[in-house]
Amino acid sequence: DAGVTQSPTHLIKTRGQHVTLRCSPISGHKSVSWYQQVLGQGPQFIFQYYEKEERGRGNFPDRFSARQFPNYSSELNVNALLLGDSALYLCASSWSNPLGGNTIYFGEGSWLTVV
Amino acid sequence: AQKITQTQPGMFVQEKEAVTLDCTYDTSDQSYGLFWYKQPSSGEMIFLIYQGSYDEQNATEGRYSLNFQKARKSANLVISASQLGDSAMYFCALGSGNTGKLIFGQGTTLQVKP
Repeated sequence: DAGVTQSPTHLIKTRGQHVTLRCSPISGHKSVSWYQQVLGQGPQFIFQYYEKEERGRGNFPDRFSARQFPNYSSELNVNALLLGDSALYLCASSWSNPLGGNTIYFGEGSWLTVV
Repeated sequence: AQKITQTQPGMFVQEKEAVTLDCTYDTSDQSYGLFWYKQPSSGEMIFLIYQGSYDEQNATEGRYSLNFQKARKSANLVISASQLGDSAMYFCALGSGNTGKLIFGQGTTLQVKP
């Protein structure tokens, strides 16, 4: 079975540009979350979507937005890129609420470099 | 506020020996979960083990076990019989509430020596 897939794996953008990152959850999983991991730190929560509705939002500016599609895949959009947005962006999926033993699985991430 | 603390920035262990990676947490929620992930240099976050706050038994998954001490709010990861491939960054994470949000610690870099 395919795990969580993310695309693109690596990309370079210029300050002020826009980027779209994509994620396909594990088959049957309905919850998708996005995390930003800056070098040397632990991942920081950005968004969670469950059944196509936003269920949680981290402390990120409005330049960050996301959505979940009917097939449960998801996109993370970042507008007006800043140098500080350079990071590994991780997508995670789970069947439903991650508590109660519903394990959260991560994809391999999208490495974003802003120059 | 919810918080995860990993106090060991780096650890060394000899191949085939056991190692314990420390994790303490703080939360006011009654229902929560604790996760451990392994992150090699490639970046992928690999799930290792999960412990629910109401689970009475410590979780085990192969060579991984979680030493859960609820009163002390600690959830240490024990890796038995270390292998060279265990060299990586290890993250402890706290999940609570219905948002699906995980709060991660700063991580511990483990190096296994041959």
